[in-house]
Amino acid sequence: AQSVAQPEDQVNVAEGNPLTVKCTYSVSGNPYLFWYVQYPNRGLQFLLKYITGDNLVKGSYGFEAEFNKSQTSFHLKKPSALVSDSALYFCAVRDGDDKIIFGKGTRLHILP
Amino acid sequence: DVKVTQSSRYLVKRTGEKVFLECVQDMDHENMFWYRQDPGLGLRLIYFSYDVKMKEKGDIPEGYSVSREKKERFSLILESASTNQTSMYLCASSLEQGFPGANVLTFGAGSRLTVL
Repeated sequence: AQSVAQPEDQVNVAEGNPLTVKCTYSVSGNPYLFWYVQYPNRGLQFLLKYITGDNLVKGSYGFEAEFNKSQTSFHLKKPSALVSDSALYFCAVRDGDDKIIFGKGTRLHILP
Repeated sequence: DVKVTQSSRYLVKRTGEKVFLECVQDMDHENMFWYRQDPGLGLRLIYFSYDVKMKEKGDIPEGYSVSREKKERFSLILESASTNQTSMYLCASSLEQGFPGANVLTFGAGSRLTVL
């Protein structure tokens, strides 16, 4: 069965530093991978996706993610963190039945 | 913009009550989903639907049922609410395969249910 793992429950980064939120996946076939963000008291919002093509995918709010097939990873990155990036981040994968399966989430704290 | 509207942001119900959570989307999406979100467990898929009157079980369907009588509306039903169903419930929709933007979920704001 398809699955995603987010190995870190929480990530702390100083404002202005680069950030990485990790995600690994397990799928059969070509992966469809996604990142979503949930700001406090708000619904989930789509950030970016990888379907095919370039391994570096750019998304909303200056975020990007790097697809690495050999390491089965899809880490979310941003060159310079903002305090407003503090939120809950979810990695997700599409399975063979077109269901979207989510990881457990990583809480990102950007420290002023 | 696609909008997914969940009728209730907060509900408090008693054990054994029947609970209806309503979700409406206004962009003619074929696919609709119900997830529950719990701290430390992420989002877990309860049920989903690819078309009117169609439904498929997700990963945790026990204790729930759904109804999709119209394309834009997808209802989650708790036949007899229990305390372990206290959670945040998220509805989402997406286009069907083959269309640009397929697989991207648009979520509602969520319905926080407390069962006493």
